[in-house]
Amino acid sequence: GQQLNQSPQSMFIQEGEDVSMNCTSSSIFNTWLWYKQDPGEGPVLLIALYKAGELTSNGRLTAQFGITRKDSFLNISASIPSDVGIYFCAGQGRGTSYGKLTFGQGTILTVHP
Amino acid sequence: GAGVSQSPSNKVTEKGKDVELRCDPISGHTALYWYRQSLGQGLEFLIYFQGNSAPDKSGLPSDRFSAERTGGSVSTLTIQRTQQEDSAVYLCASSFTSGGASKTQYFGPGTRLLVL
Repeated sequence: GQQLNQSPQSMFIQEGEDVSMNCTSSSIFNTWLWYKQDPGEGPVLLIALYKAGELTSNGRLTAQFGITRKDSFLNISASIPSDVGIYFCAGQGRGTSYGKLTFGQGTILTVHP
Repeated sequence: GAGVSQSPSNKVTEKGKDVELRCDPISGHTALYWYRQSLGQGLEFLIYFQGNSAPDKSGLPSDRFSAERTGGSVSTLTIQRTQQEDSAVYLCASSFTSGGASKTQYFGPGTRLLVL
């Protein structure tokens, strides 16, 4: 089945630093999504990408949908303590897999003040 | 409410017992999804409902798992004869539709299931 490889698994950074994480897939996706999950909560959508090559920003967050449709990255600039959490990439396919999301394993982000 | 709600928020049960988990999607959302998140892992798709279409059950791990959606709104995920490996957070999500930009899924807070 479809699998997403997300890296890095964890990051420890100083406040103010930039962060980059990425996901790669063995399959093509029509949509790439980035979610953040805080402890005890469900994932919250950060950025959605719908076209290959698309580059989208949401405040300090920037994400891109890879040209091959098999990868995506998320950048966080000038990190702050509230950026702490688990970040997940997710891909949404087509055909029989349309609708359901395939998630990466997550990147645990720790920001030291 | 404005978001997806799930109940109970926590459930502790004994091995072999049946459990029911409930999801109330965002009003007007026609698509509803169930995912499972084991400790320290990403989310694993279980099942999804879209309007009156037959649900996509391809992610259900065994026949002990079933789900229904009554009246196109509230959904119940049932796990029969629970096993310890069923312990996880069960997350529900809904979207306005499964097509186009409006297919963005919004998640509830989850039900934390612990099987002793």
